[in-house]
Amino acid sequence: AQSVTQPDIHITVSEGASLELRCNYSYGATPYLFWYVQSPGQGLQLLLKYFSGDTLVQGIKGFEAEFKRSQSSFNLRKPSVHWSDAAEYFCAVGILSNFGNEKLTFGTGTRLTIIP
Amino acid sequence: AAGVIQSPRHLIKEKRETATLKCYPIPRHDTVYWYQQGPGQDPQFLISFYEKMQSDKGSIPDRFSAQQFSDYHSELNMSSLELGDSALYFCASSLGRGNQETQYFGPGTRLLVL
Repeated sequence: AQSVTQPDIHITVSEGASLELRCNYSYGATPYLFWYVQSPGQGLQLLLKYFSGDTLVQGIKGFEAEFKRSQSSFNLRKPSVHWSDAAEYFCAVGILSNFGNEKLTFGTGTRLTIIP
Repeated sequence: AAGVIQSPRHLIKEKRETATLKCYPIPRHDTVYWYQQGPGQDPQFLISFYEKMQSDKGSIPDRFSAQQFSDYHSELNMSSLELGDSALYFCASSLGRGNQETQYFGPGTRLLVL
């Protein structure tokens, strides 16, 4: 069965430092991968997505992610974090159902804390 | 740009009561998805609709039902509410269906069952 693993439950990074959030997936077919960010009490905002093509994907707010099929990974990176990046980050894989519709399976999330 | 609208944003109910959550997709979007996010949990897929027909079903309790109307808005009806139903309920919409269609999420409805 398909699954998404985010090994890091909580990460603390100093403002201005680089960031990498890990995501591993398990899916039999070509995965469609997403990163969403959720601020406290807020909805889910799409950061970036990978469908096909270039394995390095650029997103909003200076984030990027690299799809590595050999490692079944889709790690999220940012060269320099800002205090406003503190939030919960969810990696998700899009699963195509028999009905031709897609549903998202999420990882358990990584909470990012930024320290001055 | 217009986003997904959910109402109400907050809802407090007693056990065994009913609740109706509404979702208004982005204009022209014909596909709606419902997700449930328990406290400290990741969002779990409940159900989806495409062109007013149910297109997929996840871990949705039998006490819950949903439908999509002719204007593409959707309603999630929850009956015999239980304490464990307390969660953040997200609606997402997309244009068309399939893996190439990005889901855009609404702000969620926070349901508290007392």
